Amino acid sequence: EDQVTQSPEALRLQEGESSSLNCSYTVSGLRGLFWYRQDPGKGPEFLFTLYSAGEEKEKERLKATLTKKESFLHITAPKPEDSATYLCAVQAVNAGGTSYGKLTFGQGTILTVHP
Amino acid sequence: EPEVTQTPSHQVTQMGQEVILRCVPISNHLYFYWYRQILGQKVEFLVSFYNNEISEKSEIFDDQFSVERPDGSNFTLKIRSTKLEDSAMYFCASRLRLAGGVNEQFFGPGTRLTVL
Repeated sequence: EDQVTQSPEALRLQEGESSSLNCSYTVSGLRGLFWYRQDPGKGPEFLFTLYSAGEEKEKERLKATLTKKESFLHITAPKPEDSATYLCAVQAVNAGGTSYGKLTFGQGTILTVHP
Repeated sequence: EPEVTQTPSHQVTQMGQEVILRCVPISNHLYFYWYRQILGQKVEFLVSFYNNEISEKSEIFDDQFSVERPDGSNFTLKIRSTKLEDSAMYFCASRLRLAGGVNEQFFGPGTRLTVL
C-alpha cells in the first residue's frame, strides 16, 4: 500500500526565516510526486510535479527536491502570505502495473509565517 | 485562467437522503476524479473516470456511490443513501492526458457535505 508521511505536522516561522518541509513516501512504483498548497476551506492548489530522483523545481520562494525516498519543499525568506497547509501526494502504478492518476496524499504541514 | 468549478459550495442533508454533487472540469481535460477530506484528516481518493467509465476506485467508493458524465461538461458524484460518516469536503479534480500519463491534477474549491 502506498504511504506518504509529512513532517513536521505544523511549523511556525518568523518572516524571512527559511526552512524545509519533508515528505517521505513508500510506493510500489513512483510515477510522480506532487506538491500542493491548501488554504483553509479551499481546494488544493498545484505547485510542483517531480518525476525522478535528483530533480528540482523552483517557483518564487519555493523549491522542491526529490530523492528515491523523500521530497523536500524548501521555503526561502517566507512571507505571511505563504501561510497555508502544504500537501505532498504521490502517483504510483497500481497492482496491475498501470496508473490512472490516483493520488495518495500525506496529512500535510501547516505553515504559519509571522510578520 | 481555466478552473474546475463545483456546486453547491455547501450541502446539508438528512441521513438516508440522496445527494448529487456537481463539477465542471477544465474543458480540454480527459481524466476526472473525486476525492474527499474529512475535517482534520488526509485528502482521500474516491474514484477516477476516463472515456466514460470508471478506471479506478477506492474501498470507500462502495455501491452507495456513483459517478456520471451526463453531458460534455458536467461530472457528478451521487451518494444514494447518505450516512453521518459521509460528512466531509468533496473535491473534484481533472487533468489533461499527456503522453506518458503523468501530469498534475487541478482541483475545484470543494463541496462541504453535512449529513444530519
